[in-house]
Amino acid sequence: DAGVTQSPTHLIKTRGQQVTLRCSPISGHKSVSWYQQVLGQGPQFIFQYYEKEERGRGNFPDRFSARQFPNYSSELNVNALLLGDSALYLCASSTGQGRAFFGQGTRLTVV
Amino acid sequence: AQSVTQPDIHITVSEGASLELRCNYSYGATPYLFWYVQSPGQGLQLLLKYFSGDTLVQGIKGFEAEFKRSQSSFNLRKPSVHWSDAAEYFCAVGEETSYDKVIFGPGTSLSVIP
Repeated sequence: DAGVTQSPTHLIKTRGQQVTLRCSPISGHKSVSWYQQVLGQGPQFIFQYYEKEERGRGNFPDRFSARQFPNYSSELNVNALLLGDSALYLCASSTGQGRAFFGQGTRLTVV
Repeated sequence: AQSVTQPDIHITVSEGASLELRCNYSYGATPYLFWYVQSPGQGLQLLLKYFSGDTLVQGIKGFEAEFKRSQSSFNLRKPSVHWSDAAEYFCAVGEETSYDKVIFGPGTSLSVIP
């Protein structure tokens, strides 16, 4: 069975650009959560979506947005990139009532 | 506001020795607590969780953790460490019985000496 898949695995962007990260949950999972993990720190919660509705939002600026599609896949968008946005972005999926499974993440470098 | 502290940034133990990783949380209501492990180049893997009931919880890979409400702690233990346990360990707290919105601690890096 496929686990949580994230794409791309790595990317490099320039300050001020916009980026879209993608996440495909495990089949049957309707909840997707996004986390930002800056090097040397623990993951920080950004968003949770369940059944295409936002269920939670962490303390991130409005430059960060997300959405969930009818097939439960999700995109995380970050506008006006800053150097400080460089991080590993993790996606986790769950049924909404059970254990969350994490993908291997997208490594974003902003130069 | 919820928060998690892990006082030890880095710990080194010899293979076969016992291990205890400390975790303290700050939360007003009943906390829901987790331990995750992250190996280099890998995603996060759940080791164990505490939602309610027995305060000593067993997890995968021989790990256990004890919830102590009076000390606001949820320390992770393993009686005998293997070289493959070298990784980053994260304690996390949630506000409900959900795995989906959790607050992670800063992590403890574990090195194992052969």
